Amino acid sequence: DTAVSQTPKYLVTQMGNDKSIKCEQNLGHDTMYWYKQDSKKFLKIMFSYNNKELIINETVPNRFSPKSPDKAHLNLHINSLELGDSAVYFCASSPRGSTNYGYTFGSGTRLTVV
Amino acid sequence: AQSVTQPDIHITVSEGASLELRCNYSYGATPYLFWYVQSPGQGLQLLLKYFSGDTLVQGIKGFEAEFKRSQSSFNLRKPSVHWSDAAEYFCAVGNNAGNMLTFGGGTRLMVKP
Repeated sequence: DTAVSQTPKYLVTQMGNDKSIKCEQNLGHDTMYWYKQDSKKFLKIMFSYNNKELIINETVPNRFSPKSPDKAHLNLHINSLELGDSAVYFCASSPRGSTNYGYTFGSGTRLTVV
Repeated sequence: AQSVTQPDIHITVSEGASLELRCNYSYGATPYLFWYVQSPGQGLQLLLKYFSGDTLVQGIKGFEAEFKRSQSSFNLRKPSVHWSDAAEYFCAVGNNAGNMLTFGGGTRLMVKP
């Protein structure tokens, strides 16, 4: 009954590969997000989707492409992986237009590019 | 643009001692403010939030935070720290559009026995 689930939890891959991270929420929320946490624990928003529509794209390289097949899912596909992409990626969700309720986060995907 | 500063990167306290983690924000309107906790290898868990009303808010695990508009601060407090409180703590500010949370750099709390 996990609220926001991400798969895989760990991902080790070589430079140049393409990989995907999946995220699903069962909270009925309309808005979903991807955040990147770097090695210094700094959290930065990458994308925000509201009911399958992209509403925020924070100058992320176009090698990163989010896909939202429905409002309960937001997947992240990364092409041509680079060493600098190594980080922990968090998916989150919130009710639409309701920052005041806070976000519910998944447990993260640790991506290591070698 | 909104921003959050957590001046203390690391804090070490003794078990049973009181705790205060500092957070300063920058936002043009009335902010939505949050504290999250991240245990090692885990996601972020919401401790408490403020968006209106009483400026002293209570959260889970015995934490509280006080919103001070004049100081643009939202400091987190706990009267008696437990060893299980050792974690990374993040302050965040939400925008009025309801589509973005901006996080501070985090404060790592270590608890001495």
